[in-house]
Amino acid sequence: AQSVTQLDSHVSVSEGTPVLLRCNYSSSYSPSLFWYVQHPNKGLQLLLKYTSAATLVKGINGFEAEFKKSETSFHLTKPSAHMSDAAEYFCVVSLNSGYSTLTFGKGTMLLVSP
Amino acid sequence: DTGVSQDPRHKITKRGQNVTFRCDPISEHNRLYWYRQTLGQGPEFLTYFQNEAQLEKSRLLSDRFSAERPKGSFSTLEIQRTEQGDSAMYLCASSRDRGFTDTQYFGPGTRLTVL
Repeated sequence: AQSVTQLDSHVSVSEGTPVLLRCNYSSSYSPSLFWYVQHPNKGLQLLLKYTSAATLVKGINGFEAEFKKSETSFHLTKPSAHMSDAAEYFCVVSLNSGYSTLTFGKGTMLLVSP
Repeated sequence: DTGVSQDPRHKITKRGQNVTFRCDPISEHNRLYWYRQTLGQGPEFLTYFQNEAQLEKSRLLSDRFSAERPKGSFSTLEIQRTEQGDSAMYLCASSRDRGFTDTQYFGPGTRLTVL
């Protein structure tokens, strides 16, 4: 069984300040982990994914995440928020073996103020 | 690569009616997934196709739901005798079998409202 907990339902930052979106996972097997972003009225877009290679994963738009097995965490960070980053972010886990259904967290809404 | 497309984008129906949604995956993607997303929640898995074969179904997929993928290309999701609880965003995703964890690409979704 696998599950994901996103620790904050909403995060508010000012433009230009760092972003931290927290995610903890649970998986019986070695997992793959993803972060997806969903802008209003748009489809889910993949930001980055971890599949047992380097533990620090770089994604699009300056986002990165670090896989910490000892803490079962996969937090998403960005050094400097931009207004266009305002969206809902989902942490996702799947089994690290070929096809696998995705298990999503409940999402974190990122609000960016000028 | 034109992305995953879904049709319609919005559907309003009355309780008890049947509805059908279509998903066109990225060309050459042999895997296709359906998810459902309700307000304030992350998407939940419904069903999975490898080519034309439906290989997995969630227990969320009641008998009123049926999905097909004839010829392994586009897919349809039909809901019979809709209920108000079926109101949700229905998402389709596709991926290509690369022998390791695949990356799923999502369509824009079909938002269903059951009155």
